[in-house]
Amino acid sequence: AQKVTQAQTEISVVEKEDVTLDCVYETRDTTYYLFWYKQPPSGELVFLIRRNSFDEQNEISGRYSWNFQKSTSSFNFTITASQVVDSAVYFCALSEVSGSARQLTFGSGTQLTVLP
Amino acid sequence: EAQVTQNPRYLITVTGKKLTVTCSQNMNHEYMSWYRQDPGLGLRQIYYSMNVEVTDKGDVPEGYKVSRKEKRNFPLILESPSPNQTSLYFCASRWGVNTEAFFGQGTRLTVV
Repeated sequence: AQKVTQAQTEISVVEKEDVTLDCVYETRDTTYYLFWYKQPPSGELVFLIRRNSFDEQNEISGRYSWNFQKSTSSFNFTITASQVVDSAVYFCALSEVSGSARQLTFGSGTQLTVLP
Repeated sequence: EAQVTQNPRYLITVTGKKLTVTCSQNMNHEYMSWYRQDPGLGLRQIYYSMNVEVTDKGDVPEGYKVSRKEKRNFPLILESPSPNQTSLYFCASRWGVNTEAFFGQGTRLTVV
């Protein structure tokens, strides 16, 4: 069964610090997709990135970067020079493609607080 | 505008009184799902649907029903709500297993 673990329940940093959010996943599939979502205090869920299991290239988008390592089943998310507006709950998610496990499974989330 | 619409946004009800939370998407997506969000537990899938008349249980289906009679609609039914179903509920839709999900604005349900 697929599983996503976000061991960091809460992280607090001071503005301009870099912060990394960890995500570890479990799957028996060779083809799968990983996602990150942001949930700001207003409550909506905002899609950030999708990564497929065959593409291990790291990705950078502005202050955001993602490190995908199949060898350790991890898909970590780094925010560089954090800002107060980055304060949110961040969710990592996994989607398998085989059999009946066509679900999108989320981790328990990491609450990030960026202090001014 | 592409969107997933849930109604109502807020609902307070009493134990045992049947209720329905509606969900509609205008993107012609095949897949739709319901999740509940509880503190410390993240988003847990209740039910999902891969097409019209095709639904399956997620991780926490007890106490819930769904139906998918039309592609765009996926209502969540609580036949006899109980206080442990007090939660924040999200409806989501997506093209397929390899695409991101679009979420509704959420429904905050309180059962007293």
